[in-house]
Amino acid sequence: AQSVTQLDSQVPVFEEAPVELRCNYSSSVSVYLFWYVQYPNQGLQLLLKYLSGSTLVESINGFEAEFNKSQTSFHLRKPSVHISDTAEYFCAVTETGANNLFFGTGTRLTVIP
Amino acid sequence: NAGVTQTPKFRILKIGQSMTLQCAQDMNHNYMYWYRQDPGMGLKLIYYSVGAGITDKGEVPNGYNVSRSTTEDFPLRLELAAPSQTSVYFCASTINRVSAGDTQYFGPGTRLTVL
Repeated sequence: AQSVTQLDSQVPVFEEAPVELRCNYSSSVSVYLFWYVQYPNQGLQLLLKYLSGSTLVESINGFEAEFNKSQTSFHLRKPSVHISDTAEYFCAVTETGANNLFFGTGTRLTVIP
Repeated sequence: NAGVTQTPKFRILKIGQSMTLQCAQDMNHNYMYWYRQDPGMGLKLIYYSVGAGITDKGEVPNGYNVSRSTTEDFPLRLELAAPSQTSVYFCASTINRVSAGDTQYFGPGTRLTVL
């Protein structure tokens, strides 16, 4: 079965500083990778996803993630964070033919003014 | 489009009581899912459905039941509630398989406490 590891449970960062949230997955087959964001007291929303093609994918609000097959990683980055980025971020993976996503345990990003 | 809706938002149950968590989507999605979210544990899949009349177990199905009589609705039934079922429950849907790259759309969640 798939598994996803998010090593950092909490990441505090000052406003306008860069941030990286780490995600590693276990799989030897073709995978699809997702980052979801959960704002306080809300459901999850898709931030970005990698299906195929360019290994660098971007979101509309300045986040980007790079698929690295050799390191089985899909780290999320933003060069300059805002207060409004404070949320919990979940990495998820699925594989060809699967019916569901496997989620990591989440990383709580707190942006400090 | 209301998207994915869930009721109730909050509920407190006594041990041994039963209840049904409601989930509905108006996007004509084929696939629907129930997850539970425990602190520090991420989301765990309880049950999912690939279409009306078809359901299957996820990672943590014990203590729960589901049905899918229509495309729109996917209720989750808790029989004999236990403190271990205290959690936040999320319903989600996709047009087709997530492995086709489809985005999962989530409801706002139901926070359940069993005392």
